[in-house]
Amino acid sequence: GAGVSQSPSNKVTEKGKDVELRCDPISGHTALYWYRQSLGQGLEFLIYFQGNSAPDKSGLPSDRFSAERTGGSVSTLTIQRTQQEDSAVYLCASSPGLAETYEQYFGPGTRLTVT
Amino acid sequence: QKEVEQNSGPLSVPEGAIASLNCTYSDRVSQSFFWYRQYSGKSPELIMSIYSNGDKEDGRFTAQLNKASQYVSLLIRDSQPSDSATYLCAVKDFNKFYFGSGTKLNVKP
Repeated sequence: GAGVSQSPSNKVTEKGKDVELRCDPISGHTALYWYRQSLGQGLEFLIYFQGNSAPDKSGLPSDRFSAERTGGSVSTLTIQRTQQEDSAVYLCASSPGLAETYEQYFGPGTRLTVT
Repeated sequence: QKEVEQNSGPLSVPEGAIASLNCTYSDRVSQSFFWYRQYSGKSPELIMSIYSNGDKEDGRFTAQLNKASQYVSLLIRDSQPSDSATYLCAVKDFNKFYFGSGTKLNVKP
């Protein structure tokens, strides 16, 4: 079946502009996660959604970052007033649910470059 | 704060050898552990999951878990150049995944 998809695959924006990154999880997966990975670094957790519950936003680095998930499926990560330090690969992952044994599967990522 | 520690490497092994990748974690109550492979410029790909103490084998890969010592390892038998990648250890706890920084593996032909 189809995996996690993300769009765009690459995004170049000027400092100060807003960007929106999209994630389509695997069909039927109720949990959705956003991570950020800077060049040569590990994965930085940003936010996760589970069904209709309030999202865990504890990893968002500043109030310029926000995310929403519509209809329990597609999610959009928005970065306002982008800064050069926001340049990174933004990865989305989905999981069937919350059971401890459930794995997560990653999308291909969106590479964001802020000039 | 949950810590997941991995040696950053690079770990170099000759083709055909066994590669051993290790990971330690700080939280004793963690129950689920995962290994991901990440090729340069690509997203992480799930290799294996393990939940119980002991070994779990899948093809050339064996995951080993020791909860008392709080470590999980990944063995790759008959290593191939195509196994050259960064391997990420992840620990799941209360719906969140905590990742190590990864170990870079180089398999030399």
